[in-house]
Amino acid sequence: NAGVTQTPKFRILKIGQSMTLQCTQDMNHNYMYWYRQDPGMGLKLIYYSVGAGITDKGEVPNGYNVSRSTTEDFPLRLELAAPSQTSVYFCASSYGGSGTYEQYFGPGTRLTVT
Amino acid sequence: GNSVTQMEGPVTLSEEAFLTINCTYTATGYPSLFWYVQYPGEGLQLLLKATKADDKGSNKGFEATYRKETTSFHLEKGSVQVSDSAVYFCALTLDENNRLAFGKGNQVVVIP
Repeated sequence: NAGVTQTPKFRILKIGQSMTLQCTQDMNHNYMYWYRQDPGMGLKLIYYSVGAGITDKGEVPNGYNVSRSTTEDFPLRLELAAPSQTSVYFCASSYGGSGTYEQYFGPGTRLTVT
Repeated sequence: GNSVTQMEGPVTLSEEAFLTINCTYTATGYPSLFWYVQYPGEGLQLLLKATKADDKGSNKGFEATYRKETTSFHLEKGSVQVSDSAVYFCALTLDENNRLAFGKGNQVVVIP
């Protein structure tokens, strides 16, 4: 199993550009999450999904969109990139809900918006 | 709402020293509690967890006990190694969808 994979690893965007961060998991997990990590601030949840076709907002969804057409893939779309979106983005997945299952994280995408 | 608070600042200590990282939480109900570790350049990985009061999670020599009376989940290791240098995050579940609230993390540096 590759686990959770993310592409690209690094990206530099100009203000106003758009891009999609890719996330794929091969563990047949129903639950998937997108976080951003800013220095000294922990992780903040952007969006999450409890299954194919179902997505919901997290704590910091503004400026982002997601879709979940398959169990495996959960891409994150940035429209009109802004310097405030400079961050490290992590995708994670979990087998189930109930509040007891661990989340498995991808290696992250480091994004700089200039 | 539910949240976690970690002690402020990085932790620097010598090899074989005792490590404690404090974590306290605010919650309604009885959330599960986790410690995640992030090694340089990598994503987070689960270190240990506890799902109910008085549970002790343990892994790789690390331990933490779910204390309802003090709303705490402090991480401890008796003898750290250089390879334990990493950032450690305390987290709790917010709901049945497994959404997590993370603390700000503590950088641990172990000096040979």
